[in-house]
Amino acid sequence: DAGVIQSPRHEVTEMGQEVTLRCKPISGHNSLFWYRQTMMRGLELLIYFNNNVPIDDSGMPEDRFSAKMPNASFSTLKIQPSEPRDSAVYFCASSLQGRPGTGELFFGEGSRLTVL
Amino acid sequence: AQSVTQLGSHVSVSEGALVLLRCNYSSSVPPYLFWYVQYPNQGLQLLLKYTSAATLVKGINGFEAEFKKSETSFHLTKPSAHMSDAAEYFCAVSSGYSTLTFGKGTMLLVSP
Repeated sequence: DAGVIQSPRHEVTEMGQEVTLRCKPISGHNSLFWYRQTMMRGLELLIYFNNNVPIDDSGMPEDRFSAKMPNASFSTLKIQPSEPRDSAVYFCASSLQGRPGTGELFFGEGSRLTVL
Repeated sequence: AQSVTQLGSHVSVSEGALVLLRCNYSSSVPPYLFWYVQYPNQGLQLLLKYTSAATLVKGINGFEAEFKKSETSFHLTKPSAHMSDAAEYFCAVSSGYSTLTFGKGTMLLVSP
C-alpha cells in the first residue's frame, strides 16, 4: 500500500518566491497534519485537518503561510513570499482517529525546503 | 496542558549494550503516550503506543516502554543495541482531546 506521498522532496528557491508543497494522505484516513522540523525548534505542528476541515491552525507562523485541503486525497501548504527562516523539512502526516491524538500518525518522507 | 521532556539530546551506546531513552510527561488527564523513530532523511514512524491497557508496552524492533504514573515517565528500552537502531527517537503525549505534543528528540548513536 502507498504511504503518505509528498512532493517535491527537495526545493531550493530564492527569497520572495512562492513555494507550494503537496501531500497525498493514505486513502481512508480522516486526519491530516502539516509539521515543520528544524534543528532549533524541533518538530512543530503547523495545521491539522479533520475530514478536510482545518481544526487547528494556531501553529501557522504568520499570514505568509496558508494550507488547503480541497478533498480527502490532497492537501497543499503554501508559503508566499518565502524567507530564509522558512528553510526546514516540512512533513505531512495522516491518521485514522476518532478523538484527536489517539491514532497512529503516518508520516511522509518530507519536503526539504531551502530558501536562499 | 500537556508537555514532554526527553532527557539527553544524544545518547551513545555500544553495540549489544542496553538502550535507555528517557521521557517524562505532563498531562492533566490520563495520557496517550507514543514513541516514534526517525531514520535519516525519512519521516517518523511509530515504535509503540500506550493507551491505558498494560503498563509495559512492546513495540517493533525489540523496543519496549513502561508507563509509570507515579513517576510520570515512559522510558524506552531495548536489551541489546544494534547498529541499525541508530536514529532519532521522539516521545509524544496526547490527552485524547488534542493533537500530539512531541518532545525535542533524542539521537541514539551506536558504536561497534
